Amino acid sequence: GNSVTQMEGPVTLSEEAFLTINCTYTATGYPSLFWYVQYPGEGLQLLLKATKADDKGSNKGFEATYRKETTSFHLEKGSVQVSDSAVYFCALSDSGEKLVFGKGTKLTVNP
Amino acid sequence: DAGVIQSPRHEVTEMGQEVTLRCKPISGHNSLFWYRQTMMRGLELLIYFNNNVPIDDSGMPEDRFSAKMPNASFSTLKIQPSEPRDSAVYFCASSPGQGQYGYTFGSGTRLTVV
Repeated sequence: GNSVTQMEGPVTLSEEAFLTINCTYTATGYPSLFWYVQYPGEGLQLLLKATKADDKGSNKGFEATYRKETTSFHLEKGSVQVSDSAVYFCALSDSGEKLVFGKGTKLTVNP
Repeated sequence: DAGVIQSPRHEVTEMGQEVTLRCKPISGHNSLFWYRQTMMRGLELLIYFNNNVPIDDSGMPEDRFSAKMPNASFSTLKIQPSEPRDSAVYFCASSPGQGQYGYTFGSGTRLTVV
């Protein structure tokens, strides 16, 4: 079945550091891929998405590229801020209605 | 659009009581999902509806849990009787009906059963 594997956290960085959160997937066909972010006390929010191979999703300085050859969708940001502290979830959707989520990676950014 | 609206935001109840959580999806979205989030288990899909019809309830933990969607703009998740282990944050999400568009989540209901 479809699955998503994220790097285990927590991840702790200093402000302005470079961020990478790894995400790999297993799926039949050509899934759509997503990153969601959950700030403390809030629901999950869609951060970015990509619907086909080689697409790059981007938002708020975050980027992720859909790599079919490596079945990956790693999240990156060049310079993190304290306000980026949150839990990040990678997810995929096949042609159906359901999303399959990874377990989440907690990011803490220290000033 | 006001987004997905859940109520209440917080609920504290005694063990054995009935609890009802409510969700109003985004207008025009025809799929609705109920999730539970805990530190131990992470994010779990409980049940989802398409066009008001339950499609997959395999995640509902036991018969104490039930969910309904009487119309396109309202859904409930009921726990009767509640137990301390039901304490969690419950999220509702809606989507246009195909996964490629992603979901929009509500802010959640934090349930504490004492």
